[in-house]
Amino acid sequence: EVHLVESGGGLVQPGGSLRLSCAASGFTFSGYPMNWVRQAPGKGLEWVSYISSRSGAIDYADPVKGRFTMSRDNSKNSLYLQMNSLRVEDSAVYYCARGAAGGDYMDVWGKGTTVTVSS
Amino acid sequence: IVLTQSPDFQSVTPKEKVTITCRASQSIGTSLHWYQQKPDQSPKLLINYASQSFSGVPSRFSGGGSGTDFTLTINSLEAEDAATYYCHQTNSLPWTFGQGTKVEIK
Repeated sequence: EVHLVESGGGLVQPGGSLRLSCAASGFTFSGYPMNWVRQAPGKGLEWVSYISSRSGAIDYADPVKGRFTMSRDNSKNSLYLQMNSLRVEDSAVYYCARGAAGGDYMDVWGKGTTVTVSS
Repeated sequence: IVLTQSPDFQSVTPKEKVTITCRASQSIGTSLHWYQQKPDQSPKLLINYASQSFSGVPSRFSGGGSGTDFTLTINSLEAEDAATYYCHQTNSLPWTFGQGTKVEIK
């Protein structure tokens, strides 16, 4: 069965850093693009970043560009999001989501990890 | 690309038909997908590329449209369909989502 499990969330002060991880299982991780999507409390979904299957293409939403870095280690079936210079408005549940093979939509989502940025 | 869903909220009785619309600020072809998110759960894919039902999704869910106007239809609503529904475009970066439509069961 396909599984995505996020970890690394927590409480951090404004200006701080956090590294999220996403462990994938049940599929050939190296064959799929991946995404991070976040959801602020009581709000809608916001796409954060995308990485192609072999890291050849990486893109970010404007609000996180220059502060967040997405990466993956296909040998470890793992996805990462390094978040620096965190702001209060970055507080959200962060989901990792698999990009569909041959398509751009997201067909499998993890349960999410919560990031709270507060002093 | 801004996606605007309507309505924001809908209260519906079981077995009723529900139609949610999603309008894009510019033409996106059929690069429009629909997700369902139940309370305290992660989103689940329902429809990809405007009208293709994702594997395992009940047949009462269907999608249509192209260009700038899209619809998600739930035929004969069931109690388990209480959720927030989001449209999502992948025509051009940055990918965006609609604001969501909450469907409540009366």
